[in-house]
Amino acid sequence: EDQVTQSPEALRLQEGESSSLNCSYTVSGLRGLFWYRQDPGKGPEFLFTLYSAGEEKEKERLKATLTKKESFLHITAPKPEDSATYLCAVPFTSGTYKYIFGTGTRLKVLA
Amino acid sequence: DVKVTQSSRYLVKRTGEKVFLECVQDMDHENMFWYRQDPGLGLRLIYFSYDVKMKEKGDIPEGYSVSREKKERFSLILESASTNQTSMYLCASTQVNQPQHFGDGTRLSIL
Repeated sequence: EDQVTQSPEALRLQEGESSSLNCSYTVSGLRGLFWYRQDPGKGPEFLFTLYSAGEEKEKERLKATLTKKESFLHITAPKPEDSATYLCAVPFTSGTYKYIFGTGTRLKVLA
Repeated sequence: DVKVTQSSRYLVKRTGEKVFLECVQDMDHENMFWYRQDPGLGLRLIYFSYDVKMKEKGDIPEGYSVSREKKERFSLILESASTNQTSMYLCASTQVNQPQHFGDGTRLSIL
């Protein structure tokens, strides 16, 4: 069964304290893994696409990596403005246009 | 940049009313989606459309219908609004196996 699991559910960091968020997936034939940032009361904002194991993408303090079973979103020296919920998603195994979303990690960065 | 526009950010309606939520995208995407998002339940798919006049039920279609008469526009209809349909509604669009792009959401309250 296709599944996406994110951990931890919530994470509190001090400003400058680096950490990683995890997205584990089980799908047959990965056709992309997507990371989003969601601020309260707004829609998810697309961050990264990863397609194959070993691939990495970076944007400012964020770096996303992909293995055959999971993806990590590394946050280096976070700032309070990085506080948000981070979601990952994958397309379902072929036969449908649907996507599976994880339930997200709520990140709070304290000044 | 992809732009997905939802017609209202906030909406208040009464039980029994027929409610229309509108979504427009400007990137000629084939696929469009309606989700609702509730605390602790994550994103749940209501309906999606993979072409004009084509639609499929998602995970929670009961009490909802959709309309896609033009490629850029996807409407969600609450046939007879009930209080348990109070939620954040999110529209998204994409091409197959590409990341979804979301609107800012409509926070709907049914009184």
